[in-house]
Amino acid sequence: QVQLVQSGAEVKKPGASVKVSCKDSGYIFTGNYIHWVRQAPGQGLEWMGWINSNSGGTSYSPRFQGRVTMTMDTSISTAYMELSRLRSDDTAVYYCAMVLSGTYYFDYWGQGILVTVSS
Amino acid sequence: QSALTQPASVSGSPGQSITISCTGTSSDVGGYNYVSWYQQHPGKAPKVMIYDVSNRPSGVSNRFSGSKSGNTASLTISGLQAEDEADYFCGSYVTSTTFWVFGGGTKLTVL
Repeated sequence: QVQLVQSGAEVKKPGASVKVSCKDSGYIFTGNYIHWVRQAPGQGLEWMGWINSNSGGTSYSPRFQGRVTMTMDTSISTAYMELSRLRSDDTAVYYCAMVLSGTYYFDYWGQGILVTVSS
Repeated sequence: QSALTQPASVSGSPGQSITISCTGTSSDVGGYNYVSWYQQHPGKAPKVMIYDVSNRPSGVSNRFSGSKSGNTASLTISGLQAEDEADYFCGSYVTSTTFWVFGGGTKLTVL
């Protein structure tokens, strides 16, 4: 049973950074792509980028380029997403989602993490 | 990359069929057959219902079907049931890039 388990809710001040995690309990990270998708309250899904679990290669949405960093610790099957220079409109639920190699859809999702940016 | 365009809301009565559209460009929806659809109930993570335009993952009801014409993809739900009430999002790989893009979402109300 594949499960992506994300870390707990975060509250941050404007200008700060947040680093959230996503742990694969099903041991399928290897060779696949971990994406990060966010959803502001009452809004749609917004794709942020991905990291390849084998190579560590990344691709970031131009909207977040320069503010987002995606990393992995393969020894503990955990992916991380760090977003810097937070603004109030970064308040959202942040999901990790897996795209299996060779496919083009989000097959497995984490439960989501609410990140609140408020002074 | 602009979001794909979906209607904000659709509604239907139990037993009826509804169709949700998803309009993009020749760089995303119209590029390759890499359009997918996701169902999201309140407070839950999205769940894939259709992938590669018209394929259903194992376990998804055959009441859900997908199609595409040009730069517009469509999700059809037949035999509407109360449990189908949810938000639906389309997503697409963007050709010639390594990016993905989603639609703004459609709220389905079962009357």
